[in-house]
Amino acid sequence: DSGVTQTPKHLITATGQRVTLRCSPRSGDLSVYWYQQSLDQGLQFLIQYYNGEERAKGNILERFSAQQFPDLHSELNLSSLELGDSALYFCASSVAQFPDTQYFGPGTRLTVL
Amino acid sequence: GENVEQHPSTLSVQEGDSAVIKCTYSDSASNYFPWYKQELGKRPQLIIDIRSNVGEKKDQRIAVTLNKTAKHFSLHITETQPEDSAVYFCAASRSGGTNAGKSTFGDGTTLTVKP
Repeated sequence: DSGVTQTPKHLITATGQRVTLRCSPRSGDLSVYWYQQSLDQGLQFLIQYYNGEERAKGNILERFSAQQFPDLHSELNLSSLELGDSALYFCASSVAQFPDTQYFGPGTRLTVL
Repeated sequence: GENVEQHPSTLSVQEGDSAVIKCTYSDSASNYFPWYKQELGKRPQLIIDIRSNVGEKKDQRIAVTLNKTAKHFSLHITETQPEDSAVYFCAASRSGGTNAGKSTFGDGTTLTVKP
């Protein structure tokens, strides 16, 4: 157990819908990262927050948004869902602002039908 | 932006043999290189990492080497065991400049260790 929690574990929804994925970092970690892992792809970096502020952005679609709250938990919002958004979404956390040991959560498996 | 290429995509070895996975990166400013192991359906787990001020790092049967000039780094697993079977990902990132904090991952190597 990495100490990073993610909810829900599984999510099944329909195209066009909107969902929210939640992540709680390890105690003491200020950085939260979001990744997408599709069936035939590796890990794609989406976005990083450090202490409530956006720090780095990857190839995150405009339909996706994220935020980190004062208690340091983070949410990833996915809207106007498409079939291709079906994937495992991982959150990771680390102590530092810049790249450091990242601890991954168990992931949320999103299925869009 | 950074581009990371990982080879081979699949690797099959006999138990007890060594396994080597290599990654090349494009951004000379990258200075942090972690390796992750991911078992089927599980989360990626960091197994070893190296920073650009070090050429080699070892942890029991696992070692990572970094060649900054050639912009490549390699994972070495010795005395492989069946439980080493998993997908291994390399990554590269940097601590300064635009998008510091963004990790770029290789496509992964599926390692199979045959008993």
